[in-house]
Amino acid sequence: DVKVTQSSRYLVKRTGEKVFLECVQDMDHENMFWYRQDPGLGLRLIYFSYDVKMKEKGDIPEGYSVSREKKERFSLILESASTNQTSMYLCASGDRDYGYTFGSGTRLTVV
Amino acid sequence: TQLLEQSPQFLSIQEGENLTVYCNSSSVFSSLQWYRQEPGEGPVLLVTVVTGGEVKKLKRLTFQFGDARKDSSLHITAAQPGDTGLYLCTWAGGGADGLTFGKGTHLIIQP
Repeated sequence: DVKVTQSSRYLVKRTGEKVFLECVQDMDHENMFWYRQDPGLGLRLIYFSYDVKMKEKGDIPEGYSVSREKKERFSLILESASTNQTSMYLCASGDRDYGYTFGSGTRLTVV
Repeated sequence: TQLLEQSPQFLSIQEGENLTVYCNSSSVFSSLQWYRQEPGEGPVLLVTVVTGGEVKKLKRLTFQFGDARKDSSLHITAAQPGDTGLYLCTWAGGGADGLTFGKGTHLIIQP
């Protein structure tokens, strides 16, 4: 089975901290995605990547950056965490034909 | 970005009842996927529909893609508590803007 692993299930950070969320997939997928999920707003795409060192902005990239140095790893970076970035963060990989596999999510709280 | 509307937003029914949830867009889908998300987990792919008028069955779940490929429905027969979750549809074809999700239908099946 395809596995997408997110480094932390729960994370608590202070306002202003730099936060790294890591995602690793084991199926050699080219496409990887970062979403955040909030009640009433659904899943919103932050950034995605179609190849190593390649990144594209999604719908809500402000306050975030990403890094894809290796094909299997896609990192989401909060340069200076703020309370409005408290959310569930979901990483996914896959393709349109065969579907996408999501990680179990990281619930981030910024205090 | 192609917008997706899902209805109803919330649905709570008794075990054993049947139900249908919907996914609609004003634009034509090239293909569409349905996912189910359980609390505290990432979404899991249920099905991909590609051809207008297509019907796919997954045990007690029946997925239908509209003839014009602008809408889809998910019908559950004899719902069980294990069907509880957030059901999401996503347009999965074309473009280079990642997956766009509807806000989902929150389904609760009461024993």
